[in-house]
Amino acid sequence: QKEVEQDPGPLSVPEGAIVSLNCTYSNSAFQYFMWYRQYSRKGPELLMYTYSSGNKEDGRFTAQVDKSSKYISLFIRDSQPSDSATYLCATERMDSSYKLIFGSGTRLLVRP
Amino acid sequence: DTAVSQTPKYLVTQMGNDKSIKCEQNLGHDTMYWYKQDSKKFLKIMFSYNNKELIINETVPNRFSPKSPDKAHLNLHINSLELGDSAVYFCASSQEGGGTQYFGPGTRLLVL
Repeated sequence: QKEVEQDPGPLSVPEGAIVSLNCTYSNSAFQYFMWYRQYSRKGPELLMYTYSSGNKEDGRFTAQVDKSSKYISLFIRDSQPSDSATYLCATERMDSSYKLIFGSGTRLLVRP
Repeated sequence: DTAVSQTPKYLVTQMGNDKSIKCEQNLGHDTMYWYKQDSKKFLKIMFSYNNKELIINETVPNRFSPKSPDKAHLNLHINSLELGDSAVYFCASSQEGGGTQYFGPGTRLLVL
């Protein structure tokens, strides 16, 4: 079993839709959670970084962490064609701050 | 100015050859990383250096050898290339450890 599981998609939605991307993780030692966005043929870029359970909002993006069920989500409101990319969740242990564990990524396509 | 740069962008080579990939960051970060991303987009850490000191060395064949001549540079040398080494290799950097990592554009390696 992988430490971080993520549905690979692809997920296809019309422009303006609310997108929900999800990951589950297996190890309760993971304390930090991130979402990275990766455009085709580019390197990943950090979108959201969160530590505690609950919601964190940044513009159209909301990251949600539920440590009790080991579930992390990224919501995108008013999705745009420019949001079409692969979204990677990642986690980090408190005692191993140099090592990120990534999910396999969900490919998102926002249709105009 | 590119924050994290890698050369070359593309590398096509024959099995058995030796090749190097170079990475440079101009962010003043202390920590640099090498990741491998396979065809299914799964991103896995290979090595991490902090202030030129190796701190993460995942289960990677010893044909792979990282070298950090200074804090701003981390190179990856691969001996006796195999078909399974074909992947995209990403360099990243961060200030100390942590999830806020900045990725380079990737080096696409194809071994024939």
